[in-house]
Amino acid sequence: ETGVTQSPTHLIKTRGQQVTLRCSSQSGHNTVSWYQQALGQGPQFIFQYYREEENGRGNFPPRFSGLQFPNYSSELNVNALELDDSALYLCASSLRTGSDEQFFGPGTRLTVL
Amino acid sequence: AQSVTQLDSQVPVFEEAPVELRCNYSSSVSVYLFWYVQYPNQGLQLLLKYLSGSTLVKGINGFEAEFNKSQTSFHLRKPSVHISDTAEYFCAVSGVTGFQKLVFGTGTRLLVSP
Repeated sequence: ETGVTQSPTHLIKTRGQQVTLRCSSQSGHNTVSWYQQALGQGPQFIFQYYREEENGRGNFPPRFSGLQFPNYSSELNVNALELDDSALYLCASSLRTGSDEQFFGPGTRLTVL
Repeated sequence: AQSVTQLDSQVPVFEEAPVELRCNYSSSVSVYLFWYVQYPNQGLQLLLKYLSGSTLVKGINGFEAEFNKSQTSFHLRKPSVHISDTAEYFCAVSGVTGFQKLVFGTGTRLLVSP
């Protein structure tokens, strides 16, 4: 059974650029959630995708957008990058039941200069 | 809406000593409760979860937590810690109904020294 994988591991961008982060969910999971973890903080919920539809969204602006593909992998896109977008971005996959465990990937470390 | 407060940002402890990491939550609805551990440069790993039933929950690596509804707490305990337990620990909550969105606390860094 393959766990949650994310790519790239690290990347550096400049203000105003756009970035795409990728996530492959664990086998059999149909739900993907994205979280932003700023340095020294707990993860904050960005949004969740279930069967290719956005299922819920946290308090993030529209320049944060996502996609989920038929194989349940997912992308997080961030436009017009700001310095405060520097963070660890975590992807988590699960089955769409309220009590099911979310399995986290290792994260992508984004640095915005 | 839910919120989580982890009262201690850092807890230093000697190896083989007991430890308790505190977590309090706020919610207007019934909740599920979780503890996750994060080792340096890694993602989050689930230690244990409370869904319903017995208020004492046992998890991996010898950790346990007790759900106290009247005090809205879910403190994590381990009777004897190891150097390898040094990590960041996050308490999280999600509502029982609706989609599962985890709300995390700010984390507690457990520092185990010899």
